[in-house]
Amino acid sequence: NAGVTQTPKFRVLKTGQSMTLLCAQDMNHEYMYWYRQDPGMGLRLIHYSVGEGTTAKGEVPDGYNVSRLKKQNFLLGLESAAPSQTSVYFCASSYSAPGTQYFGPGTRLLVL
Amino acid sequence: SQQGEEDPQALSIQEGENATMNCSYKTSINNLQWYRQNSGRGLVHLILIRSNEREKHSGRLRVTLDTSKKSSSLLITASRAADTASYFCATDARDDKIIFGKGTRLHILP
Repeated sequence: NAGVTQTPKFRVLKTGQSMTLLCAQDMNHEYMYWYRQDPGMGLRLIHYSVGEGTTAKGEVPDGYNVSRLKKQNFLLGLESAAPSQTSVYFCASSYSAPGTQYFGPGTRLLVL
Repeated sequence: SQQGEEDPQALSIQEGENATMNCSYKTSINNLQWYRQNSGRGLVHLILIRSNEREKHSGRLRVTLDTSKKSSSLLITASRAADTASYFCATDARDDKIIFGKGTRLHILP
């Protein structure tokens, strides 16, 4: 089992560019989450999904969109990147909620 | 909205010593979890303790929960260099979410 994987591992964007971060899990989990981690801020929830075809807003959803077309994948989109979105992004999944979350290795995003 | 707050923010101890970190939270919970994050890596789940439990062990880890004080502690006994990491507590919130604290950075000195 690969667990939770994230693509890409690192990306540099210019302000205004768009990109999609891909999260995939092979544990058949219903719940999936996107977090961002900034120095001194801990993890903040961006969006989450409680099952295929569902999405919901978290604590800091502005500037991001998500889709869960397949149960195993959770995509995070940035339509027009801003320097404030420079961060490390983590995806997580869980079998139940609130329950143990399994994290991916993270994507480092730098927006210039 | 921060639910759990870890204390201290940073901790340095000698290898072999015990490390204790604390988590305080504001509202009632169903369970509390502790996670570890090694530098540059994703979080790894360590232990989950339910609101009706007072203590739980896993290897060198001991977690306590005091719901009357709304606090939890994580004790790592006989610390090793590999324990150097950040440790986060996470509490359940509404709508299937959990909320992470800002973490305690633990550094084990050789």
